Amino acid sequence: EPEVTQTPSHQVTQMGQEVILRCVPISNHLYFYWYRQILGQKVEFLVSFYNNEISEKSEIFDDQFSVERPDGSNFTLKIRSTKLEDSAMYFCASSAQDSNQPQHFGDGTRLSIL
Amino acid sequence: QKEVEQDPGPLSVPEGAIVSLNCTYSNSAFQYFMWYRQYSRKGPELLMYTYSSGNKEDGRFTAQVDKSSKYISLFIRDSQPSDSATYLCARVDSSYKLIFGSGTRLLVRP
Repeated sequence: EPEVTQTPSHQVTQMGQEVILRCVPISNHLYFYWYRQILGQKVEFLVSFYNNEISEKSEIFDDQFSVERPDGSNFTLKIRSTKLEDSAMYFCASSAQDSNQPQHFGDGTRLSIL
Repeated sequence: QKEVEQDPGPLSVPEGAIVSLNCTYSNSAFQYFMWYRQYSRKGPELLMYTYSSGNKEDGRFTAQVDKSSKYISLFIRDSQPSDSATYLCARVDSSYKLIFGSGTRLLVRP
């Protein structure tokens, strides 16, 4: 069964450094998402992306965050200058051509900011 | 106002029991719901999704939506130790992003 893959599984970064989280969505999917889950808290929406542009972003997704689909398979989340409070699990999700379809998640990247 | 609420548990049941997991929601503008299962240090795994009221069944799992009371349920029949996980309900909003509940932790004892 096709799946969303994310790398790395764990990223440790010094505060203030830039970090890029990578995702390979399911191949025929066109809608892409990033969510995050701070330890012990809910999974919360960050950003949605379709047709090479952001569809919607949450209040969390400030100017330090950016997303990109640099080629036909990868979808990345960049945090320019990381803060301690960025420590969380970051999940990528994708859904099929019709956006009214369920989202499938990767196993996440655990980001630890020191 | 929390949009999607779940009892965090933990819910502990013996193997073979019928499990009932529940969720309430407050915004009824767009009624498309999903259930995900999340094992420790893994991503949410889609179990079921439903657009409408009533029941939807898939193997040992049944999802139920009661729009009049804004109540969503997931039933697991013949529960197994491998069902031990956190169960997340989510509402899809009008822009197709997911609004998650906090999850209910389930433990099925052998």
